[in-house]
Parts: sequence; C-alpha cells; structure tokens
Amino acid sequence: DGGITQSPKYLFRKEGQNVTLSCEQNLNHDAMYWYRQDPGQGLRLIYYSQIVNDFQKGDIAEGYSVSREKKESFPLTVTSAQKNPTAFYLCASSISLGLNEQFFGPGTRLTVL
Amino acid sequence: AQTVTQSQPEMSVQEAETVTLSCTYDTSESDYYLFWYKQPPSRQMILVIRQEAYKQQNATENRFSVNFQKAAKSFSLKISDSQLGDAAMYFCAYRGPSSNTGKLIFGQGTTLQVKP
Repeated sequence: DGGITQSPKYLFRKEGQNVTLSCEQNLNHDAMYWYRQDPGQGLRLIYYSQIVNDFQKGDIAEGYSVSREKKESFPLTVTSAQKNPTAFYLCASSISLGLNEQFFGPGTRLTVL
Repeated sequence: AQTVTQSQPEMSVQEAETVTLSCTYDTSESDYYLFWYKQPPSRQMILVIRQEAYKQQNATENRFSVNFQKAAKSFSLKISDSQLGDAAMYFCAYRGPSSNTGKLIFGQGTTLQVKP
C-alpha cells in the first residue's frame, strides 16, 4: 500500500543528545515536510523539501536539521540545540509544492528525559 | 502573513445531530486552498475536505460540507448526522500558492465531543 511511514512511534532522549526521526514515503511525491505539534495547538512547519538534495527552513527550524538524499526519505535530526524538543512530530508529503494536498504520516512522539 | 483562527476550543454534539465548526483566515492572496483535517486520538492527521478558493461551489464529502465565504474569509465545516467516530480534534488549514513555501498554516484546533 502507498503511504508515509514514520519511526519510531515513541522516542525518548536524554538532554544533550541528538536524535533522528525517520520519514519514508512510497507515493512518488517530490515535496516533503516536517511539522511539530505541541499540546492543544496546531502544527508548525520545521523544514520542507521541494526535491532531492534541496530543503528549506520553515518557521521553527532552530535546533533541527534535515537531509534529502533520496526522494523517498526525509529524516529529521533534533539536536541538543533545540531547547524544548518534547513534542509530537509529523511528516507529510505532496506531489509538489503547488496547491496539492498533503498526506501525513502517523507521527513520532519525542520525549526528552 | 497569513493566519488561521478557530475561535471554538471545544464543541459538543448529540449523536445524529448536526454541528458546525468555525474558521476564519486572513490572506492577501486570491488563489489558495483551504482544508479541514481531523485528528483522532491516534493522532493521525486525516484530510476531511478541501476547498479551492477559485471555486464558488461549496465542497461536500458525504456527511461533511463547508460554507466558504471568500469575501468574509470564513470557512466553516458542517458535520451532519454526527457519529461517535467523528469525535476528534479538527483543524482548519490554509495553503497558499507555490511562490511561498507551500506550507500549511493551521488554526489552533477545535475538539469535538459526540454524545451518545
């Protein structure tokens, strides 16, 4: 089945550690996105990628990094520089950056201990 | 900058009844998309319905329909014959042209409770 997968579902990290969240899609979509969701709030854009080997900062990119070496994959690294990383992280993809709908993965819950 | 506002943090509806969730937005663009997403307790974001700004006709998807008022910048969601499975958080979202980031701008969400 086509879709977006994120792993792991739950992730625990000690303060000062970097951690990488996985996002894979088999929809043949060019554009991919990372959003962060805090309790009781809507989603905010961290990074997005229009095409392989290209990515741009979103509204809250500080403390995060991404790579886009393959069309199917868009991993997000939460670095120790991110001051409040505990949140729910959602990956999404769309055919392009145009006015196309975005499909979401099931999300990863990151908790910093 | 574009903004999306959902002024109802919580709503409740009796099973089989109709409920309307409100959403207003602010933009200077003329071409854009509006969406309603549902986020059940599993936290998976599910697209409920979308509306293209250039279309005057309101979108419908089975029991879900919208009232799109472009001049008033209003985009409400009506759920008819509410079912227990409709209980979730609902987000209104805006997406502008690709000359921007193409990102979705979300409202704060409305938690819908469905009473049996």
